[in-house]
Amino acid sequence: DIQMTQSPSSLYASVGDRVTITCQASQGISNYLNWYQQKPGKAPKLLIYDVSILERGVPSRFSGSGSGTDFSVTISSLQPEDFATYYCQQYDNLPYTFGQGTKLEIK
Amino acid sequence: QVQLQESGPGLVKPSQTLSLTCNVSGVSITSGSWYWSWIRQPAGKGLEWIGRIYTSGISNYNPSLKSRVTISLDTSKSQFSLKLTSVTAADTAVYYCARWYSSSWYRYFDSWGQGTLVTVSS
Repeated sequence: DIQMTQSPSSLYASVGDRVTITCQASQGISNYLNWYQQKPGKAPKLLIYDVSILERGVPSRFSGSGSGTDFSVTISSLQPEDFATYYCQQYDNLPYTFGQGTKLEIK
Repeated sequence: QVQLQESGPGLVKPSQTLSLTCNVSGVSITSGSWYWSWIRQPAGKGLEWIGRIYTSGISNYNPSLKSRVTISLDTSKSQFSLKLTSVTAADTAVYYCARWYSSSWYRYFDSWGQGTLVTVSS
């Protein structure tokens, strides 16, 4: 299985901050990488697919980048609704695997 | 607008079989470039892909669960189902059904059910 490692596991930030979450794959996955956002008690929601394409309705303050084994998602100016847990997910090989999650909390 | 809704027992005894159904509405379960999937999440932990089934009936499973998992499709009811045998406390989790969109260029989970908590306990 391809292991996905996110860092940090948790992150404290303030409204207006710029934050970056990274995701590293245990082997090259080309650009087969998605990001999801999950709020407490809710199902994950697609945020970014194919490394950098924003799902419809996702604000432009979100951006994704990377290739090969190293990827990241950046939020340029945190808004209150962005505090959530973020997961990366690879689909280069089955089984699909997710990172362990990064919990973004209010400082 | 596609909607997915999980249903099934919230409590299963150890060694028994966990059975869940996902009702799909808003789209035809047999059309499109979609795989119908199950994903689970233990409390406070990350997401684990369990497996998927295509409209043709072909399925794929996570090797870590393959010996215990069956995913099936009931097109007449617009549903797909999960069976997980010989459950233990480690199978306690929120179980999600989700749609995997697959095209020549992009693939992703684009729709999810709300999730259902299944607890394995005697």
